[in-house]
Amino acid sequence: QQKVQQSPESLTVSEGAMASLNCTFSDGTSNNFRWYRQHSAKGLEVLVSIFSDGEKEEGRFTAHLNRANLHVSLHIREPQPSDSAVYLCAVSMRPGGYKVVFGSGTRLLVSP
Amino acid sequence: DTTVKQNPRYKLARVGKPVNLICSQTMNHDTMYWYQKKPNQAPKLLLFYYDKILNREADTFEKFQSSRPNNSFCSLYIGSAGLEYSAMYLCASSATGTANTEVFFGKGTRLTVV
Repeated sequence: QQKVQQSPESLTVSEGAMASLNCTFSDGTSNNFRWYRQHSAKGLEVLVSIFSDGEKEEGRFTAHLNRANLHVSLHIREPQPSDSAVYLCAVSMRPGGYKVVFGSGTRLLVSP
Repeated sequence: DTTVKQNPRYKLARVGKPVNLICSQTMNHDTMYWYQKKPNQAPKLLLFYYDKILNREADTFEKFQSSRPNNSFCSLYIGSAGLEYSAMYLCASSATGTANTEVFFGKGTRLTVV
């Protein structure tokens, strides 16, 4: 059973400083990784998807995937107070259907 | 249109009463999912339909039902709501043609059981 764990549980950074979030997963055959953001009481917003080892950048958001280490990270460049939200790591695999398992999230607070 | 639509956005239900949540998509996706999200917890996969095949997670097998009358619609049914069912319910869909498929989420239905 796929297990996805995120760290830290919460993170406070100053506006403009880099924010780094971590995610580990248990199943090395996973082939699809995403970072989502959820502002309170809103739906999920996809930030970046990554499917192969290395780096993927979408605007100020960069994901790094190292499948051998079972690790995917998200780096937020020049975070702003409006980036304060819960960030969720999602790992997918295809057992004949397409199952997405989420981590429990990192709560990011960006202080002005 | 790449949106997944969920109705209603907010639902109030009484303990012991049934609840039916609706989700639709027009992207011709073969897979549709239902997740339950409680505050400070990860979205939890309840079940998903791959085409006409329903897959329910082992720990929620007894609590939730679903139907998919056609490719575009999928419902989540709770036969007898309990207080513990209060949560945000998220529907999602994807096409499983390639490993790089995107998963699209709806805005969710916030269910409050009283």
